[in-house]
Amino acid sequence: AQKITQTQPGMFVQEKEAVTLDCTYDTSDPSYGLFWYKQPSSGEMIFLIYQGSYDQQNATEGRYSLNFQKARKSANLVISASQLGDSAMYFCAMREASRVGAGGTSYGKLTFGQGTILTVHP
Amino acid sequence: DGGITQSPKYLFRKEGQNVTLSCEQNLNHDAMYWYRQDPGQGLRLIYYSQIVNDFQKGDIAEGYSVSREKKESFPLTVTSAQKNPTAFYLCASSTTSGSTDTQYFGPGTRLTVL
Repeated sequence: AQKITQTQPGMFVQEKEAVTLDCTYDTSDPSYGLFWYKQPSSGEMIFLIYQGSYDQQNATEGRYSLNFQKARKSANLVISASQLGDSAMYFCAMREASRVGAGGTSYGKLTFGQGTILTVHP
Repeated sequence: DGGITQSPKYLFRKEGQNVTLSCEQNLNHDAMYWYRQDPGQGLRLIYYSQIVNDFQKGDIAEGYSVSREKKESFPLTVTSAQKNPTAFYLCASSTTSGSTDTQYFGPGTRLTVL
């Protein structure tokens, strides 16, 4: 089963308007982290925003906010006042908790969705 | 400036050759990672290292090898055993490997097999 689902292959938005990029996730762990990254055409992955599973409030970072609905297992990214420079691929990712077992601590894996291409029109 | 550097930016390889991709970080991060990205796809984990002299396989480790002799460096070797190595390779690092720790990425290396 897909751990992270981004159902919108592409989105278009007018400059200065707000846009929501969808992300749903699947985990049975009570402790996890949700991340959004931006990948412009240059290829570098740029960290945007983080939401912890125990955080009571939705995360915000400047024009980015995360609409976290835990019961629905969704973590949508909202970009307000879109700019031309926001045109890029956006990835949602989830990191589950590390586990300590007989062999030592195992890594809390970061799993990425397939991404959404956002195009901002002037 | 603190950050992650990867070199080269573009790499061309003939079939049957091994190539090594460089990844260096000066963020004093303990954990480092290598990902592969194919066109139009998300990232898949190749290898990760939580501490010097230790590393573990990710989801697609076959045909790749790594070393972690220094905290700052985590080179990836793409061997001739990797059947389809043409891809974009991204290196990342984080403070630790906990669920709250953000991974920061380098600029990537685009590998093309001729």
